[in-house]
Amino acid sequence: GAGVSQSPSNKVTEKGKDVELRCDPISGHTALYWYRQSLGQGLEFLIYFQGNSAPDKSGLPSDRFSAERTGGSVSTLTIQRTQQEDSAVYLCASSLGGAGTGELFFGEGSRLTVL
Amino acid sequence: RKEVEQDPGPFNVPEGATVAFNCTYSNSASQSFFWYRQDCRKEPKLLMSVYSSGNEDGRFTAQLNRASQYISLLIRDSKLSDSATYLCVVNAHSSASKIIFGSGTRLSIRP
Repeated sequence: GAGVSQSPSNKVTEKGKDVELRCDPISGHTALYWYRQSLGQGLEFLIYFQGNSAPDKSGLPSDRFSAERTGGSVSTLTIQRTQQEDSAVYLCASSLGGAGTGELFFGEGSRLTVL
Repeated sequence: RKEVEQDPGPFNVPEGATVAFNCTYSNSASQSFFWYRQDCRKEPKLLMSVYSSGNEDGRFTAQLNRASQYISLLIRDSKLSDSATYLCVVNAHSSASKIIFGSGTRLSIRP
């Protein structure tokens, strides 16, 4: 398919473990976003990549969270020393242009459960 | 006060009814507005952009009121398939961190 692809779709981990979540955006989309959605809540912005510009990390909740985007395509969100409050669905989105210029296309998300 | 506020619902209406809900935003510098639809345990998908002059797409009408800082979504002749959560999205400064998603309004259409 040509949509945004995320993996794993589900991840159960123990408190204190590190996890990596992967996002493969739509080919040709320069902008990539990570959001977090807790049950019954809206989307919480985490981090944004646009081309070769420095990423906007202003939404990362703590220094346990980091993300990178290699070659302007695939992105990995890493959560170190996971806590129970990290349990949520992590959504990745991409867009053709920069932030606010058009539609965000979302992946199906990675559901993280921290025991 | 939240930057974007929506009535969480649920709105429970019969098939064929007209339903409307609003979304208020606090940042008067907000520039662009959208409605996204999210089905249960699925990802959000763009329903429609909201233009200053208002816009219509089939049974759906979106309007923007800058003076009162709210946007609205009207659904006519509602279908069972319209059951979903509708997310209001407001972009303040063409900055990713300023793309604010509301918590959503849950709509349930009954036969």
